[in-house]
Amino acid sequence: DTEVTQTPKHLVMGMTNKKSLKCEQHMGHRAMYWYKQKAKKPPELMFVYSYEKLSINESVPSRFSPECPNSSLLNLHLHALQPEDSALYLCASSQVLAIPPGTQYFGPGTRLLVL
Amino acid sequence: AQKVTQAQTEISVVEKEDVTLDCVYETRDTTYYLFWYKQPPSGELVFLIRRNSFDEQNEISGRYSWNFQKSTSSFNFTITASQVVDSAVYFCALSESTNDYKLSFGAGTTVTVRA
Repeated sequence: DTEVTQTPKHLVMGMTNKKSLKCEQHMGHRAMYWYKQKAKKPPELMFVYSYEKLSINESVPSRFSPECPNSSLLNLHLHALQPEDSALYLCASSQVLAIPPGTQYFGPGTRLLVL
Repeated sequence: AQKVTQAQTEISVVEKEDVTLDCVYETRDTTYYLFWYKQPPSGELVFLIRRNSFDEQNEISGRYSWNFQKSTSSFNFTITASQVVDSAVYFCALSESTNDYKLSFGAGTTVTVRA
């Protein structure tokens, strides 16, 4: 079962709101990822967690705050976003972040619109 | 510098035609991994195939086939007898040890299959 779930599917928020995106996997994977994808562009890596610890932060603005409460869950907390942050946010997971690298399996994404 | 080049931005074919998507990559690593993902309009990235640099065998999976040629740094993807459900954006991606095994995506090729 290669399923990664994400909630909500769609989110509209104002620039002063606080919201959270949620990602869940039950494949026993120990690496989880957040990507941002703008229309007609490839996904861009934001964060990587390995064994529940933040491993990679691709210089993402602090208005995005990731959290990994346990090995199955990954959250992305959003605060004071800008309209240009509107995008599809994709979560992915892989067995490990090691050699050889695990294949990343993606969730369906959350389409975020910031007004 | 672009590590993965997908020169074809859009391809439009009529159902049952074959379509080949080109992918050219650039790396100095001797060990690396190549991937193809499909992204239908729903947004989820669907994993199609993974190849490591030591495995140059061509692969066939149903109507899909892949041609990996290290000599030309190419990893091309062919859909045989295309169907409307094949309409999607297809991404080629590279994973290298010198880049923390992060996925470097190409720009993507949009395939439209007309009935």
